[in-house]
Amino acid sequence: DAGITQSPRHKVTETGTPVTLRCHQTENHRYMYWYRQDPGHGLRLIHYSYGVKDTDKGEVSDGYSVSRSKTEDFLLTLESATSSQTSVYFCAISDGQVPYEQYFGPGTRLTVT
Amino acid sequence: AQSVAQPEDQVNVAEGNPLTVKCTYSVSGNPYLFWYVQYPNRGLQFLLKYITGDNLVKGSYGFEAEFNKSQTSFHLKKPSALVSDSALYFCAVRDALGSSYKLIFGSGTRLLVRP
Repeated sequence: DAGITQSPRHKVTETGTPVTLRCHQTENHRYMYWYRQDPGHGLRLIHYSYGVKDTDKGEVSDGYSVSRSKTEDFLLTLESATSSQTSVYFCAISDGQVPYEQYFGPGTRLTVT
Repeated sequence: AQSVAQPEDQVNVAEGNPLTVKCTYSVSGNPYLFWYVQYPNRGLQFLLKYITGDNLVKGSYGFEAEFNKSQTSFHLKKPSALVSDSALYFCAVRDALGSSYKLIFGSGTRLLVRP
């Protein structure tokens, strides 16, 4: 987990409220990814970034938005949280020099009540 | 469609015995294959990868994986299991249809090594 932090690590929120999760890296890697982990589904890609202000949708992007204004920070926002978004969220980074090898943060456990 | 499958939700093995965690894949083009491990309340850690070359790939913590092109498999193996190997294991394949070095993950296999 060195070089990648996620905040908060745990959060409980109510249905309908907006929530922002932060991923911060000190590795200066170009690529950043947001995944959610759910039992039976493994990890599913929500959004990813290939540079500052350059982002794109992943497999399960509905209800989520992202922003990357600096190389080191990648924010994931749940615009109006729903119970189906209760999950563990992981951020990952890649430098592209060793293609496809990703390094993961410690995760954020989000509960939507 | 590109995909990766881990047919076993859980694998149980006694300490000292060999272990195998199975993974099969379906991709366009050459497969780039990965194994990651997740310990409780932690993020995923890279174990090993196959890009090209020798079909037997050696990785961290004594793990190895065998790439079999004809069977489209990339099974994770270890000759002698340790209780500390108990964790969740994910197989992943590169998403060859796009850029940005995306990975597609399997659903995970929980390995339980009993003393």
